[in-house]
Amino acid sequence: GAVVSQHPSRVICKSGTSVKIECRSLDFQATTMFWYRQFPKQSLMLMATSNEGSKATYEQGVEKDKFLINHASLTLSTLTVTSAHPEDSSFYICSAGVTGTYEQYFGPGTRLTVT
Amino acid sequence: AQTVTQSQPEMSVQEAETVTLSCTYDTSESDYYLFWYKQPPSRQMILVIRQEAYKQQNATENRFSVNFQKAAKSFSLKISDSQLGDAAMYFCAYRRSLTQGGSEKLVFGKGTKLTVNP
Repeated sequence: GAVVSQHPSRVICKSGTSVKIECRSLDFQATTMFWYRQFPKQSLMLMATSNEGSKATYEQGVEKDKFLINHASLTLSTLTVTSAHPEDSSFYICSAGVTGTYEQYFGPGTRLTVT
Repeated sequence: AQTVTQSQPEMSVQEAETVTLSCTYDTSESDYYLFWYKQPPSRQMILVIRQEAYKQQNATENRFSVNFQKAAKSFSLKISDSQLGDAAMYFCAYRRSLTQGGSEKLVFGKGTKLTVNP
């Protein structure tokens, strides 16, 4: 099956700094990538949808200036958490798909801790 | 907006027994996809089974099968011969049909934590 990687798997950063999370489709070209946030013992909350070469579409309530998403190529999307605060600590998951197909392939997730 | 409801926060089953996880959803669309995903302690999301709404036949994948009741908007997952490795969070998810355009995003339920007792 298709493989999606995320890097780093876990990161600790200080409050006020920015951190970038990468999501890569390793063996297919992903026209669409999704970014989710998951709090402990809760479901996945969609943050934004990004299509290659265009601006991301953010879900209601998600600050686009705080969570910067770039999908510059068909194999890479990045999520940058700017001016991180402790409340941004969470598990971030990306998924990738190909337009016109139903399947979404999930990355292994990134645990962000802001101190 | 579509919603997905999983009314069982936690379920438990004895090894080798059968368990059914419930899921209901709300939509005004006639064509869509439904999914069950498994999230083990590693947090990696794994697709268990999918169902196309236009298909009347219930999907089956080895020990996993669904009971899809379109009129009732119900989509339950049955796990037969439960194994210790089945212990995980299970999420029911909905997405619009590709033919209807719009976002391809998944709408998830809140999940059911399944414990398998030896």
